[in-house]
Amino acid sequence: GEDVEQSLFLSVREGDSSVINCTYTDSSSTYLYWYKQEPGAGLQLLTYIFSNMDMKQDQRLTVLLNKKDKHLSLRIADTQTGDSAIYFCAEIYGGSQGNLIFGKGTKLSVKP
Amino acid sequence: DAGVIQSPRHEVTEMGQEVTLRCKPISGHDYLFWYRQTMMQGLELLVYFNNKAVMDDSGMPKDRFSAKMPNASFSTLKIQPSEPRDSAVYFCASSLGGQGGETQYFGPGTRLLVL
Repeated sequence: GEDVEQSLFLSVREGDSSVINCTYTDSSSTYLYWYKQEPGAGLQLLTYIFSNMDMKQDQRLTVLLNKKDKHLSLRIADTQTGDSAIYFCAEIYGGSQGNLIFGKGTKLSVKP
Repeated sequence: DAGVIQSPRHEVTEMGQEVTLRCKPISGHDYLFWYRQTMMQGLELLVYFNNKAVMDDSGMPKDRFSAKMPNASFSTLKIQPSEPRDSAVYFCASSLGGQGGETQYFGPGTRLLVL
């Protein structure tokens, strides 16, 4: 079945760039998402990319999509301590929000 | 808008007891989702509604879980009888539409511990 894989942990220093990687299995995925979860809170949509795009930039966030390798990445420039959270990659298959498959999440720790 | 509201935020109960989780979606959102989050399984979709009707409940253990949406502004997820393996964080989310490109807005979650 459909699967989304992410590394579980990433540690960076404040001011550095963070790159969180994700691979997915469904080649027909139309939308790919990045959600952020802060401690004790629900998930919050950060950004998403449509499958006909290679890149999307939104302020400090850059999303890169390699459809051939089914690889998605999220780059956070000038990482701040407030960026410490768990980041979830997710894909939609079949075009329905009811088919939103999440990875297990990457815990980003930002050291001052 | 206040966002998606869930209650209670924390619940501790004993095995065999009935547990009811509540959710108020964002006004005007036609889609409502219930997820369960555990360390081992990550985030799993249990059930989702469109205009109060169940669209897919294949992720929900039917023998002990039931979900209802009696009106557009309220949904419940009931577990009866509860078991220790049900301990998890349960999230409710809502979205305006059900297609790709929509945004699901998550509530703060209910942290359930079954002893």
